[in-house]
Amino acid sequence: GAGVSQTPSNKVTEKGKYVELRCDPISGHTALYWYRQSLGQGPEFLIYFQGTGAADDSGLPNDRFFAVRPEGSVSTLKIQRTERGDSAVYLCASSLNGNTQYFGPGTRLTVL
Amino acid sequence: AQSVTQLGSHVSVSEGALVLLRCNYSSSVPPYLFWYVQYPNQGLQLLLKYTSAATLVKGINGFEAEFKKSETSFHLTKPSAHMSDAAEYFCAVTLNYGGSQGNLIFGKGTKLSVKP
Repeated sequence: GAGVSQTPSNKVTEKGKYVELRCDPISGHTALYWYRQSLGQGPEFLIYFQGTGAADDSGLPNDRFFAVRPEGSVSTLKIQRTERGDSAVYLCASSLNGNTQYFGPGTRLTVL
Repeated sequence: AQSVTQLGSHVSVSEGALVLLRCNYSSSVPPYLFWYVQYPNQGLQLLLKYTSAATLVKGINGFEAEFKKSETSFHLTKPSAHMSDAAEYFCAVTLNYGGSQGNLIFGKGTKLSVKP
């Protein structure tokens, strides 16, 4: 069956611009997670949704980062006023009722 | 607070040799533990997980890991390395919320190279 998909696969933007990254979870998965993976590091947690609500957003680095999941399925991670330090691979994962997390291929964000 | 330490950022073995990737964790409550593999330009794939059942966990591709509470370790092993095992491996921990997971906390990863 279809896994987690993320679009775009690559995004290049200029410092100060706004970007949106999309995640389509596995159909029926209630939980959705966003992580950020910088070069040479393990993924770091950003935010976790259970249904439509953010159950834990403690990993968001600052108020330039925001995520939504309005219908409890697709999620969008939004980054305002991008900075060069935001360059990383953004990973999305989904799970059924909080069990095993299945990851998408990621979106590589480059801020010039 | 929970944390994961992976000893060795890079491990190199010969094809057919034993693979041993080390992971130590810190957790104040019984954890769930995971090993994920990441091939170049791909997402993370679950190899195996420990969820408080059997301490020796078998995963895909011939990998297994043993949960040792006394040593706070969850090392990953494979008896005989194959060229296709070359990838980056991540150990991760999460709290056990009555059977559900919270967010994963990952180690920094170990890159495995396999020499012919």
